[in-house]
Amino acid sequence: DVKVTQSSRYLVKRTGEKVFLECVQDMDHENMFWYRQDPGLGLRLIYFSYDVKMKEKGDIPEGYSVSREKKERFSLILESASTNQTSMYLCASSPRGQMNTEAFFGQGTRLTVV
Amino acid sequence: GDSVTQMEGPVTLSEEAFLTINCTYTATGYPSLFWYVQYPGEGLQLLLKATKADDKGSNKGFEATYRKETTSFHLEKGSVQVSDSAVYFCAQTNGNQFYFGTGTSLTVIP
Repeated sequence: DVKVTQSSRYLVKRTGEKVFLECVQDMDHENMFWYRQDPGLGLRLIYFSYDVKMKEKGDIPEGYSVSREKKERFSLILESASTNQTSMYLCASSPRGQMNTEAFFGQGTRLTVV
Repeated sequence: GDSVTQMEGPVTLSEEAFLTINCTYTATGYPSLFWYVQYPGEGLQLLLKATKADDKGSNKGFEATYRKETTSFHLEKGSVQVSDSAVYFCAQTNGNQFYFGTGTSLTVIP
């Protein structure tokens, strides 16, 4: 069974902390994505990556960075967490250039910044 | 640019009622179209997809037809169940980027 695994289901962090959200996929996909989901706003793209060591800003990159040192792993970093980053974070992956294939999602990380 | 617009929620239906959730898209090319479902506290799961015009995707009693002439991909189910209560997302892809609607929350009451 194909899988995208996020390291934590729930996280509580303090304002100003550096936070790492990890995502691993076992499907050898080139594309990986980080979204945040907020009520009424749907999914908003934070960053995506087409290949190892490559990254592109999405719609809302401010306050975030990413790292992709290995093909299977894509990390989202909150450099200095703030309360407005309390949200549900979703990681996804897909094979590059394949129109017929969906994005596969992890189970999500519910982050609360206090 | 590419985008997806879907019906605002929330939607509340009685069990066995007919469901329609509207979805339209804007795309520069010919995208593939998807419906995802999200159960409480979970990530998104693929419900169905269609990859070219006039294709019909179907799964678990849900259906949607790719209508190029109206740029639409409306989700339908003839008889909803309590277990269908979830948030539904319409999405499109150009092969690399994915574009999602804002989601429609469905609650089915017995």
